[in-house]
Amino acid sequence: DSGVTQTPKHLITATGQRVTLRCSPRSGDLSVYWYQQSLDQGLQFLIHYYNGEERAKGNILERFSAQQFPDLHSELNLSSLELGDSALYFCASSVRQGYGYTFGSGTRLTVV
Amino acid sequence: GENVEQHPSTLSVQEGDSAVIKCTYSDSASNYFPWYKQELGKGPQLIIDIRSNVGEKKDQRIAVTLNKTAKHFSLHITETQPEDSAVYFCAAIPGAGSYQLTFGKGTKLSVIP
Repeated sequence: DSGVTQTPKHLITATGQRVTLRCSPRSGDLSVYWYQQSLDQGLQFLIHYYNGEERAKGNILERFSAQQFPDLHSELNLSSLELGDSALYFCASSVRQGYGYTFGSGTRLTVV
Repeated sequence: GENVEQHPSTLSVQEGDSAVIKCTYSDSASNYFPWYKQELGKGPQLIIDIRSNVGEKKDQRIAVTLNKTAKHFSLHITETQPEDSAVYFCAAIPGAGSYQLTFGKGTKLSVIP
């Protein structure tokens, strides 16, 4: 157990739907990062939050959004889902920005 | 932005032999280089990392070397064991206020008993 908790572990949904992925960082970690892992694109950075504030955006689609709450957990919202959004979504946390990332076990999203 | 190239994409070694995975990066300002091991169905696990002010770091059977001039870094695993079989990713953080990891495409290591 890495200490980073992601729920749900698996999610199957239809095209056009909206889902929310949840991440609880390790105790004491203020930074949360979201990554998408697909077979053809590898691990792609989506977004970074630090202590509730958005710090950086990567290749995140406009249909996707995220937030980090006062208790430091984070949610990634994916809407108007397409088949191509099927992937593993990982959350990572770190106590210091940019060092010692710890990843969760991921959410496998399947869009049918 | 940063670009990280990783080679080889697949690697098979006999148990007990050494394995070497190489990565190059494009941004000379990059200052942090972690390596992750990902087993099937699990998230990436940090196995070793190195900062730009260090040339080499060892942790038991695992070592990482960094050549800042050439902008490349390598992972060395000695005395490989079947449980070392996994996908390994190198990554870099560009620095200059950027904190997100840019990953290589991964190397699937198979250790043959």
